[in-house]
Order: sequence, then C-alpha cells, then structure tokens
Amino acid sequence: QVQLLQSGPGLVKPSETLSLTCTLSDGSLSNNHWTWIRQPPGKRLEWIGFVYYTGSTEYSPSLNGRATISLDTSKNQFSLRLTSVGAADTAVYYCARGSGRLHLWGQGTLVTVSS
Amino acid sequence: EIVLTQSPGTLSLSPGERATLSCRASQSVGTSLAWYQHKPGQSPRLLISEASSRTTDIPDRFSGSGYGTDFTLTISRLEPEDFALYYCQQYLNSPRTFRSFGQGTTVEAK
Repeated sequence: QVQLLQSGPGLVKPSETLSLTCTLSDGSLSNNHWTWIRQPPGKRLEWIGFVYYTGSTEYSPSLNGRATISLDTSKNQFSLRLTSVGAADTAVYYCARGSGRLHLWGQGTLVTVSS
Repeated sequence: EIVLTQSPGTLSLSPGERATLSCRASQSVGTSLAWYQHKPGQSPRLLISEASSRTTDIPDRFSGSGYGTDFTLTISRLEPEDFALYYCQQYLNSPRTFRSFGQGTTVEAK
C-alpha cells in the first residue's frame, strides 16, 4: 500500500527554519503535484503550497515568501522549508499527493515553535 | 481569497439517520470542491471531488452535490464509523492558484 511518510523535528526555535520531508513509499513522484498543508491548534486546515514533478511551485501568499517546497526525485522525497518561524507556525503539518483534490496524505507531524 | 463557510458547526445524530452538511463559498468555484473526513489521530481522507464524484472505495451512502457557491455533503444513513469531522476544500485555479478549507462540521453521536 502506497504511503507518504513524514519526517522532521517536532520542535523548532523562534526565528529559525522549519524543515520537513515527505517520502513516497512506492512509485515515483512523476506526473503528480505534491502539497503541504498545516493545521494550527483549534484552526482550520491551511494550504501552504505545492510542487509539480517538473519543479514548478505555487505558494500561499499568506506565508509572505517564507515557504519553499522542493523535490528530490532520486530519493522519492519532497520537502518543506519555512523560514523565520514564530509561534503562529505551530501546527500539525501534512504532506499530500495532488494539487486540488488530495487523495493521499502523510501521517502528520506536530511542529511546535518554542525556545 | 476564497473563503469557505461550513454549517452547522456540529451535527448531533443517531446511527441510521441522514446527515446533511453545507459548504458555502464566498465566490463561485464551479465544481472545484472536495470533501474530506478527518478522524482524531488520523490524516484526512478524500471522500468527494469535483463536487459530486465519489472517490474509489468510499461507500455510496456518501454523496456530494452543488455548483458555484453552495455545496452539500449527504450521508444517507449514518454508520458508527461516520462520526467524525468533515471539511470542504476548494481548488479553483482561476484567476490564481489558491486552495482553502472550510472550518469543518463535526458529526457526533447523539
């Protein structure tokens, strides 16, 4: 069964960079979009952005250019980097396959921003 | 930015009853709307896309309808495993690429 497996630290200090990776367990990243979403405590899901297998990207303007999503096709991985984090970036982060309809999700990673 | 508003916030029903969930968009999204089921400790699961197209393996008691700004997810007869949080999401690509989610409707057992 194909899975998306997330990895990365659960604690990040304020002003530092959050880095998460999502690994596709089977198959390839080709011919798909790969998305990151997050859910702050008590709030709705929030779209962060996506990368197409060609490397093209789209991001939510609400992140003001702090997010970067990239691919490593040799490892079947895609990653999220979010710079200059603050308390408002504390959330459960999910990766997913797709750009619109998201039909395969990672297990979620709680990332807490705290010193 | 397209804002999605779901109603009601909570639906208290018994197994076997019909659940009707609403999602309203602040501007037309055509049929670019999906519904997800989210249970505690799990990742969201795609139920419906293109407003009314059920994902493979989703039971036919789940159905979606609507166009433009008003959408409905109906669960015809609630099963115990259906008590969960449900989100709608829009994925319109025009005039710019942006995705947004509703705030969710909780379907709880009465």
